[in-house]
Amino acid sequence: SQKIEQNSEALNIQEGKTATLTCNYTNYSPAYLQWYRQDPGRGPVFLLLIRENEKEKRKERLKVTFDTTLKQSLFHITASQPADSATYLCALEAHGQNFVFGPGTRLSVLP
Amino acid sequence: SQTIHQWPATLVQPVGSPLSLECTVEGTSNPNLYWYRQAAGRGLQLLFYSVGIGQISSEVPQNLSASRPQDRQFILSSKKLLLSDSGFYLCAWSEYRGNSPLHFGNGTRLTVT
Repeated sequence: SQKIEQNSEALNIQEGKTATLTCNYTNYSPAYLQWYRQDPGRGPVFLLLIRENEKEKRKERLKVTFDTTLKQSLFHITASQPADSATYLCALEAHGQNFVFGPGTRLSVLP
Repeated sequence: SQTIHQWPATLVQPVGSPLSLECTVEGTSNPNLYWYRQAAGRGLQLLFYSVGIGQISSEVPQNLSASRPQDRQFILSSKKLLLSDSGFYLCAWSEYRGNSPLHFGNGTRLTVT
């Protein structure tokens, strides 16, 4: 069956460290994968998109990797700050123009 | 710039009552439109999506329906709410191309009592 998993429900790290979040999928062949940030009581906000032929994508302190062999994407936040605390969702293109979301990882950056 | 409006922000409805949630998008034409539901502590579940006026695809069988009477208007409805319909409902739009990101509204928190 098709499945998307994110490594942990919650992740606590110290301010200034690098946060690494994992997204694994089974029985999908996405042409691209996206990462979103969701704050409590709000809709998700798009962060980054990476295509299947791209190994890595960067945007300021954010970095995303995409390994279609491992069926995995890693999302890194370097020099993390308390303001980075939120739930992070991966989403992959399922068929056509549909997106399927992972359950999310709640990141807490501790001062 | 494009904006998405979703209302109401919160709603408390008794079991068996009807539901109508509305979503409108400004600043773009012919968007793809989506309704998602997020249960407490859970991921986003795609309920409906639409690639054009009157074109609705349902992803899960349920007590809900969707309509797109105008290009930038998407409505989620139910004739009789169930307790299990409680959740956080999110409308989203994307451009009509494969790798366009989703842009979400701020959601409606629905509690069925």
